[in-house]
Amino acid sequence: QLQLQESGPGLVKPSETLSLTCTFSGGSISSYSYYWGWIRQPPGKGLEWIGNIYYSGSTYYNPSLKSRVTISVDTSKNHFSLKLSSVTAADAAMYYCARLRGDFHWYFDLWGRGTLVTVSS
Amino acid sequence: QSALTQPRSVSGSPGQSVTLSCTGTSSDVAGYNYVSWYQQHPGKAPKLMIYDVNKRPSEVPDRFSGSKSGNTASLTISGLQAEDEADYYCCSYAGSYTFLFGGGTKLTVL
Repeated sequence: QLQLQESGPGLVKPSETLSLTCTFSGGSISSYSYYWGWIRQPPGKGLEWIGNIYYSGSTYYNPSLKSRVTISVDTSKNHFSLKLSSVTAADAAMYYCARLRGDFHWYFDLWGRGTLVTVSS
Repeated sequence: QSALTQPRSVSGSPGQSVTLSCTGTSSDVAGYNYVSWYQQHPGKAPKLMIYDVNKRPSEVPDRFSGSKSGNTASLTISGLQAEDEADYYCCSYAGSYTFLFGGGTKLTVL
């Protein structure tokens, strides 16, 4: 059964760096047809795409977050990670990881359950 | 890049059909046939309902259909059922491996 599972601290202090990991189980993250993405959702608000990574390490970021975001992949551990620096209260959200189908398609076909991140001192 | 525009709320009675709209620009919705739709029940992760404008994953009922005309994509749900009550988000490829989501539409089944 294919699954994505987010993990990481649920509480981050303002100005610090948010770090999350997403582990893929049931398959290989080193798949030709798929990219791996992060999407967030502030409480009561809509979805916001953060960025994607390919297993080769190529990354693509939301221009509005690009200066603060780093996404990396570890194929040996079958997981990918998100770092968001200099967080503020506006970064508090449910963070989802998702599998993005590429290869002449573009859609998120598998989602993790999400992990809630609070920003507070 | 601005979020795609979706109506905040839509409602319909059981058995009726409803259409949810998603408006973008020539740089996203109109420029590519890569619009997808996601259903999100409270406290749950989004679920893919439609991809590539009008394709449906095998597990999604055929009551759900998608279309696009110019800058606007649409999701139509026919034979509305109580379990369809949820938030619905559209998403479009916007070029250079970037993506835009809509603000979401809350569907209420009366």
